[in-house]
Amino acid sequence: DIVVTQSPVSLAVALGERATINCKSSESVFYRPYNKNYLGWYQQRPGQPPKLLIYWASTRESGVPDRFSASGSGTDFTLTISSLQAEDVAVYYCQQYFSIPITFGQGTRLDI
Amino acid sequence: VQLVQSGAEVIEPGASVKVSCRTSGYTFDTYWIHWARQAPGDSLEYIGYIYPKSGDTKFGQKFQGRVALTSDTSISTAYMELSNLKSDDTSVYYCARADGDEYYFDSWGQGTLVTVSS
Repeated sequence: DIVVTQSPVSLAVALGERATINCKSSESVFYRPYNKNYLGWYQQRPGQPPKLLIYWASTRESGVPDRFSASGSGTDFTLTISSLQAEDVAVYYCQQYFSIPITFGQGTRLDI
Repeated sequence: VQLVQSGAEVIEPGASVKVSCRTSGYTFDTYWIHWARQAPGDSLEYIGYIYPKSGDTKFGQKFQGRVALTSDTSISTAYMELSNLKSDDTSVYYCARADGDEYYFDSWGQGTLVTVSS
């Protein structure tokens, strides 16, 4: 199984400041024939299911604010929130879907 | 697109639970339905998927032999049945839609809390 590790486990950022979350996979999730990284990012607010933010490592889902961006390739990835808003308080997960079983990171709790 | 799951359950150890995931707003049998669970305060753990058009299924090794994934295309509903429940199966169980077997999840059900307790 591919192990996905996030850092930090928790993070506190002032309103309007930048938040950065890292994600590392134990194997590359880059599929060369399609030129895609099989890596997604999700936001989960308390009592709610996860919500897709980013797929293919850097493509923003429709309706997601452009303060959310992501980058990386192979085994190392980053999610950035450029200017933190109060509604961004949540747990963030990265997910590899390169191989079954699909696996998730342990989550990063983001607070103000 | 909507995925609506069945309500919370309290199940005795050793018994089985069957969770439903009723979908609407898209062509049910052309998307994969994946299942994952989340223990209280924990991350997400993958269970497996079903492709309703073919009935093809695949599971994480941990759940092999203990989980059954089925679907009823006439009512656009997927089901997950987990047997021989133990206390550490207490979790919120989610269904999610994806456009492939190895693919991101673009819509999720609201979750079903399954509590295993005598």
